[in-house]
Amino acid sequence: DQQVKQNSPSLSVQEGRISILNCDYTNSMFDYFLWYKKYPAEGPTFLISISSIKDKNEDGRFTVFLNKSAKHLSLHIVPSQPGDSAVYFCAASDRGGYQKVTFGTGTKLQVIP
Amino acid sequence: EAGVAQSPRYKIIEKRQSVAFWCNPISGHATLYWYQQILGQGPKLLIQFQNNGVVDDSQLPKDRFSAERLKGVDSTLKIQPAKLEDSAVYLCASSRGADTVRYFGAGTRLSVL
Repeated sequence: DQQVKQNSPSLSVQEGRISILNCDYTNSMFDYFLWYKKYPAEGPTFLISISSIKDKNEDGRFTVFLNKSAKHLSLHIVPSQPGDSAVYFCAASDRGGYQKVTFGTGTKLQVIP
Repeated sequence: EAGVAQSPRYKIIEKRQSVAFWCNPISGHATLYWYQQILGQGPKLLIQFQNNGVVDDSQLPKDRFSAERLKGVDSTLKIQPAKLEDSAVYLCASSRGADTVRYFGAGTRLSVL
């Protein structure tokens, strides 16, 4: 049962353009969402998060949008840079108890110079 | 601040052999996690420690996997005996408390032949 889904395994974008990575979830108890970035041979690193009380959170070139009614979130990167090429994982938590985090399968982003 | 340290980085073993992984979390982080990441999938939580007590091991195959966290700091994850399907990257992560943001190590890539 995949509660967090990233349906696009890969995405290619030209440098300077916008990258949009999508994520869908099925568990209505999730109330906190995160994006992690992973370079080859490294562990995932936290990128940005959003609480369910918000619909947008921005940090520099990265913006996460949350649509609770559609159970959908997206990560926008503007402008995209070659150093953004990595695998991006969407993750969700219900923040209850010990705050178990469920990860999606990841989207590999390639930013072409 | 030093990150999460893991060793070894790579391990190749034959099925039915035993293997152990070591993790040293970020100093002061009370919560430690072991994740299994199979190729093409997102990280899956195997076990979560709060200090040296287990708070979630619901997805740990206890017939072959074991983990301990002595003195609430370092941790070891053991597989005995290994199966082909255990081939994966084993990630250790830590957080200050049961915070949602995890800080990951680089992982140990295990190949079971």
